Amino acid sequence: DAGVIQSPRHEVTEMGQEVTLRCKPISGHDYLFWYRQTMMRGLELLIYFNNNVPIDDSGMPEDRFSAKMPNASFSTLKIQPSEPRDSAVYFCASSFSGGSHSYNEQFFGPGTRLTVL
Amino acid sequence: GIQVEQSPPDLILQEGANSTLRCNFSDSVNNLQWFHQNPWGQLINLFYIPSGTKQNGRLSATTVATERYSLLYISSSQTTDSGVYFCAVNAGGTSYGKLTFGQGTILTVHP
Repeated sequence: DAGVIQSPRHEVTEMGQEVTLRCKPISGHDYLFWYRQTMMRGLELLIYFNNNVPIDDSGMPEDRFSAKMPNASFSTLKIQPSEPRDSAVYFCASSFSGGSHSYNEQFFGPGTRLTVL
Repeated sequence: GIQVEQSPPDLILQEGANSTLRCNFSDSVNNLQWFHQNPWGQLINLFYIPSGTKQNGRLSATTVATERYSLLYISSSQTTDSGVYFCAVNAGGTSYGKLTFGQGTILTVHP
């Protein structure tokens, strides 16, 4: 399997612009997670989905952030409008709840490094 | 929510040395993972270990769930072991599926 795929790997944009980050989970996984990593706050969960349904979005910082999962193989995280404080590395991860000894082990994509000027 | 504390925050070693990294957590867990974040930023799965002991080459891990801690052992360290090591846990219940990360241990291995 190719693992979790994220695009773009790097994104530089100007304040006020819309940013869309994309994720393709590992085939067959039923959970998808979006995390953000910053120096100040470390790695924090933003939102996660189970079978394409959002389960917990309590980590989404504000209304400027939205996430969708239209099907089992694709998810987007959108920021509109973007601000300099949104600069961070955004990770997507996926897991499979039906495993045996690796129950709900999460696998991470390579991340998208976002810079908002 | 559950709290995760890692120690030490920084560790500097000479190549060939051994080390132990610790992860303490504040509640019972049904998932505990160790990750290595390499200098390119990738998060690499090391162990899925909610309890017990596992070994993978020069790395091994032990989780004592009843005492709420986990240890990661690195033997005969190499420069490629440098990076940040994260412990992450999931407490189940209403937080099913979500991982809470510790702040990490920054490991630097000198040749």
